Amino acid sequence: AQTVTQSQPEMSVQEAETVTLSCTYDTSENNYYLFWYKQPPSRQMILVIRQEAYKQQNATENRFSVNFQKAAKSFSLKISDSQLGDTAMYFCAFTRLGGSQGNLIFGKGTKLSVKP
Amino acid sequence: DGGITQSPKYLFRKEGQNVTLSCEQNLNHDAMYWYRQDPGQGLRLIYYSQIVNDFQKGDIAEGYSVSREKKESFPLTVTSAQKNPTAFYLCASSPRGAANQPQHFGDGTRLSIL
Repeated sequence: AQTVTQSQPEMSVQEAETVTLSCTYDTSENNYYLFWYKQPPSRQMILVIRQEAYKQQNATENRFSVNFQKAAKSFSLKISDSQLGDTAMYFCAFTRLGGSQGNLIFGKGTKLSVKP
Repeated sequence: DGGITQSPKYLFRKEGQNVTLSCEQNLNHDAMYWYRQDPGQGLRLIYYSQIVNDFQKGDIAEGYSVSREKKESFPLTVTSAQKNPTAFYLCASSPRGAANQPQHFGDGTRLSIL
């Protein structure tokens, strides 16, 4: 069975600084996707970034980038130039190809607070 | 605008009562999902449906039931057999067979016990 682990329940960062959120996963699959979702206080889940396992290049979306280490099964999220609006719960998620395709497995989340 | 609508936003259940959470989408997605979110826990999959008139149990299906009579709708019933129903419930949808398409989420329903 696949599992996703986020080892940092809470983190804080000063506005304009950089922060990295950790995520590790366990799977025997070779083809899969990894995601980071953001859940602000409004509780809506918002996709931040995704990574295809077969791509070696790390995904980047504006101030958000990932460090994907497939051999280590690690998928960390780096937020640069942190903004107050980045304050939210961040969830790492995994889905495999084939079978029950599209079913996301989530970590327990990291609560990020951006301080002015 | 396309999206997912969950209703109601807040719901209260009495002991022994069944309640139904609504989820409607106009994204023309084949697949729909129900997740439960508890404090300090990640989202856990309750049920999912890849196509109309078919659905599968997720990791925590006991005490819940669903139906998928229309592509746009995937209601979740929390039955009296669910002894700890207090949680935040999120509905999601995605194109079927497309793991590279992220799931779109509704705004959620918070269920509490009276």
